[in-house]
Amino acid sequence: EAGVAQSPRYKIIEKRQSVAFWCNPISGHATLYWYQQILGQGPKLLIQFQNNGVVDDSQLPKDRFSAERLKGVDSTLKIQPAKLEDSAVYLCASTAPGQSHGYTFGSGTRLTVV
Amino acid sequence: GIQVEQSPPDLILQEGANSTLRCNFSDSVNNLQWFHQNPWGQLINLFYIPSGTKQNGRLSATTVATERYSLLYISSSQTTDSGVYFCAVAYGGATNKLIFGTGTLLAVQP
Repeated sequence: EAGVAQSPRYKIIEKRQSVAFWCNPISGHATLYWYQQILGQGPKLLIQFQNNGVVDDSQLPKDRFSAERLKGVDSTLKIQPAKLEDSAVYLCASTAPGQSHGYTFGSGTRLTVV
Repeated sequence: GIQVEQSPPDLILQEGANSTLRCNFSDSVNNLQWFHQNPWGQLINLFYIPSGTKQNGRLSATTVATERYSLLYISSSQTTDSGVYFCAVAYGGATNKLIFGTGTLLAVQP
């Protein structure tokens, strides 16, 4: 079984620029999560999708962050404009229907904003 | 919101030693998981253990839900056990989103 794919692996941008991250979950996994992990901290949920609908985006900074999951499969997370404090690892995870305990995480995208 | 605290924050072991990591949570939960984040950043799901005891090789975990804590035991540690161990909980509702703890950084020396 292929894992959760994320790209790019690393990204360096200047503040006020925009950036996008891509995630392809495990086939058949209806639930997709984006987490932000700042250095030295545990991951924090940004947004949760069930198929192509948003279940929870309460901690997503909507003035600069946006996310979509077209056709309930791939997902894209965008930041525009980026701030220095957005430097973090952005992790995507997915779970199968009825198996919310079976999280599978991707390798993440390490973003550095300079 | 729910608070998840882990101890110790850092731990250095010699290869072959045993260790116990603790996770305390401030409210009732219906989902508790232990993850290992290796030095390359990959998060691996170790256990789903909202209550009871489970074992997987050299690792085992126990959750006492009524007392709001969970323990992760690592026996005969190896250098490949190095990394950060996270406890994460969810407390119901439609999202079942995981709230991660502060983590324990483990370094196993040869």
